[in-house]
Amino acid sequence: DTAVSQTPKYLVTQMGNDKSIKCEQNLGHDTMYWYKQDSKKFLKIMFSYNNKELIINETVPNRFSPKSPDKAHLNLHINSLELGDSAVYFCASSQGGRGAGTEAFFGQGTRLTVV
Amino acid sequence: GDSVTQMEGPVTLSEEAFLTINCTYTATGYPSLFWYVQYPGEGLQLLLKATKADDKGSNKGFEATYRKETTSFHLEKGSVQVSDSAVYFCALSDQGSGGGADGLTFGKGTHLIIQP
Repeated sequence: DTAVSQTPKYLVTQMGNDKSIKCEQNLGHDTMYWYKQDSKKFLKIMFSYNNKELIINETVPNRFSPKSPDKAHLNLHINSLELGDSAVYFCASSQGGRGAGTEAFFGQGTRLTVV
Repeated sequence: GDSVTQMEGPVTLSEEAFLTINCTYTATGYPSLFWYVQYPGEGLQLLLKATKADDKGSNKGFEATYRKETTSFHLEKGSVQVSDSAVYFCALSDQGSGGGADGLTFGKGTHLIIQP
């Protein structure tokens, strides 16, 4: 039974389109995240949600909007996709809120390619 | 802000060689330290962790010791296998009253290649 699952695994789309990536965790964790991994494998946090409240918005463009219907789900919606949005997006979850210092559990990633 | 610096790769070794991947950090609070591994086409898996100074994390033959005096968390393995080929990430998560933002701060990753 997958702990953190995200769909789709691959997403190819044209510039200007709007797309969503879904994430679900069955670990009972309080906090969920979205990370972006660029072509050089560098990982950077985009958003963090704790009990459905946004904690971090790491200066990502406002075309990216996270939505959390409940604490087990954190979806990422992207408007007006650009070539530079091509990357691998990872969903993750952890127990405890700000300052907890706990490890995160990651999904398998969504490889987004904008053409 | 918090940051993690790790040696850049690729690091190429022969099977059964000794492995060290260096990692140093800066943090405003009292971080927990982690090593994650990413196999090709997969997500990140936690390899090991340490939550306070002098703690040693270990798993699958890998070890790392939390050294507060040198702000380091170097990853070691005595005898690597071809199956260890992957990208390894050092990361920290700040904790305590002096902690910074939530989530993990990652190093840039070290690509490890083990040749038979």
